[in-house]
Amino acid sequence: QVQVVESGGGVVQPGGSLRLSCAASGFIFSSYGMHWVRQAPGKGLEWVAFIRYDGSNKYYADSVRGRFTISRDNSKNTLYLQMNTLGAEDSSVYYCAKDPGGNNPNWFDPWGQGTLVTVSS
Amino acid sequence: EIVMTQSPATLSVSPGERATLSCRASQSVSSNLAWYQQKPGQTPRLLIYGASTRATGIPARFSGSGSGTDFTLTISSLQSEDFAVYYCQQYNNWPPLTFGGGTKVEIK
Repeated sequence: QVQVVESGGGVVQPGGSLRLSCAASGFIFSSYGMHWVRQAPGKGLEWVAFIRYDGSNKYYADSVRGRFTISRDNSKNTLYLQMNTLGAEDSSVYYCAKDPGGNNPNWFDPWGQGTLVTVSS
Repeated sequence: EIVMTQSPATLSVSPGERATLSCRASQSVSSNLAWYQQKPGQTPRLLIYGASTRATGIPARFSGSGSGTDFTLTISSLQSEDFAVYYCQQYNNWPPLTFGGGTKVEIK
């Protein structure tokens, strides 16, 4: 079945960096756009970034542009999120999600189980 | 940026009753709207896309309607497993993709 599984979360100090990974299975990963979405504890959902099927275009939320980089390795069926200059406001569960298309962002389905990032000294 | 506003914030409903959730966009998103369900401690699940198309495996008691700026998610007869938080999301104008703040459906 279509599945995405995140990893790489943890506790990081303010100003630090972390790289999240998302392993995809059950579909032709190289044909689909992929997203990162986050949710702060007890809060709503916030879209973070999208990457096209071939990595040719990437889009970011203003809150992370210039600090976060989305990337993918289609040979490994894996999506990444490199997060730099982390602040307390970045503490969230980060979800990886598949897009139904390849080029432009749409909705999210399915979602992974999420990986928790905590920024704290 | 398109702002999505959901109402009410909390909806108290008895099992078996109908629930009507509202989502309003700050400008037209055509029919490019999705709904998600999130139960406590669980990952969000897609319910509806294209404003009214049920996702695979979603029961018929869930229905979506609307276009432009006003949208509705209706749960025709609430089951115990339907008590959750529901989010709408627009994908018409991006970036960014934006979500509403959520409606919590709780047991009355």
